Amino acid sequence: DGGITQSPKYLFRKEGQNVTLSCEQNLNHDAMYWYRQDPGQGLRLIYYSQIVNDFQKGDIAEGYSVSREKKESFPLTVTSAQKNPTAFYLCASSILGQPQHFGDGTRLSIL
Amino acid sequence: QQPVQSPQAVILREGEDAVINCSSSKALYSVHWYRQKHGEAPVFLMILLKGGEQKGHEKISASFNEKKQQSSLYLTASQLSYSGTYFCGPFSGTYKYIFGTGTRLKVLA
Repeated sequence: DGGITQSPKYLFRKEGQNVTLSCEQNLNHDAMYWYRQDPGQGLRLIYYSQIVNDFQKGDIAEGYSVSREKKESFPLTVTSAQKNPTAFYLCASSILGQPQHFGDGTRLSIL
Repeated sequence: QQPVQSPQAVILREGEDAVINCSSSKALYSVHWYRQKHGEAPVFLMILLKGGEQKGHEKISASFNEKKQQSSLYLTASQLSYSGTYFCGPFSGTYKYIFGTGTRLKVLA
């Protein structure tokens, strides 16, 4: 079955540490996205990529970095510069103009 | 700019109706609607295309007024399973995909 796989499901970060969230899709979608969701809040766009080796900042990119070396993969690194990383992180993919398909998400907390 | 949804939250009794509105500042080609259950990823409900075409899902329908850059989601005879947060996803022709502010819906027995 085609879909999006995010891992890990839960992640804990120590102060000063960088952590990487994985996102893999086998839907053959060109575009991939990362969203952050704080408790009781909406979905905020962190980064998006419309093609391999290219990505753009979303509305809250500070403290995050991404790469898009393969069409299927779009990992997100939460750097130590992100002072409040505790949130639910959702990866999505789509074809331009079509709805987003989501992974199950990663919950990140600070130790 | 983030699309604005109204109301922010609504509480219903089973069997009651509700309307959720989504307003964008950009010209739109289509609008997508999603529902998110607590602790889960959003799930796509329906797509609204130019021309005011209505699409249905269960007893949920929607409309799209491209001139006003607005869409509305209609929940008829609500069920307990309709509880969740609803998001609109207006498509304005670019890859940058910004969700609406969200509407929390709670259906009580």
